Amino acid sequence: AQSVTQLGSHVSVSEGALVLLRCNYSSSVPPYLFWYVQYPNQGLQLLLKYTSAATLVKGINGFEAEFKKSETSFHLTKPSAHMSDAAEYFCAVFFFGNEKLTFGTGTRLTIIP
Amino acid sequence: ETGVTQSPTHLIKTRGQQVTLRCSSQSGHNTVSWYQQALGQGPQFIFQYYREEENGRGNFPPRFSGLQFPNYSSELNVNALELDDSALYLCASSADRAFVYGYTFGSGTRLTVV
Repeated sequence: AQSVTQLGSHVSVSEGALVLLRCNYSSSVPPYLFWYVQYPNQGLQLLLKYTSAATLVKGINGFEAEFKKSETSFHLTKPSAHMSDAAEYFCAVFFFGNEKLTFGTGTRLTIIP
Repeated sequence: ETGVTQSPTHLIKTRGQQVTLRCSSQSGHNTVSWYQQALGQGPQFIFQYYREEENGRGNFPPRFSGLQFPNYSSELNVNALELDDSALYLCASSADRAFVYGYTFGSGTRLTVV
């Protein structure tokens, strides 16, 4: 069955530390993959996307993600956390044959001053 | 370019009532999808419209219905509201069905059913 899993519903990192948010998918065919960020009481903003081009994808606000087919993963990273990065992050997957995005359950990122 | 606009931003309805939520797609986008995001959860796909026709539906009952108009704006209608319908409803548009470019999301409508 096709699915997407985000490990860790809450992640806390110190300001200036590495941010790593995990996303794994289950599918026999590599899908399109997206990361979205949601600030309180707002909609979703696209951070970056993988659509079968370069496996290392750079997005906005210094975030990047690497598609690893062998690990069926698309983890989100940022070298140095900033207070403004505090938000909810969603991994989303577009499985071919399904005309929809399937979202993970989200990871709430807290930045410790 | 304009983004995706949703209205209203907030509303409160009574159980059993009907509600209509509206969405204006980003300019040039012909596909619109609706998602329900309950508190503390990820968005769940309700349905999608492509050039005024529904071409995908999630696991939602028939009392959730929609329309897409020739200008690609859209409505989500929910009949016989239940308490569990309380959620943030997100509209998203895209320029093509394959979503190569990703969705553009609106800020959502917060529906509270009492």
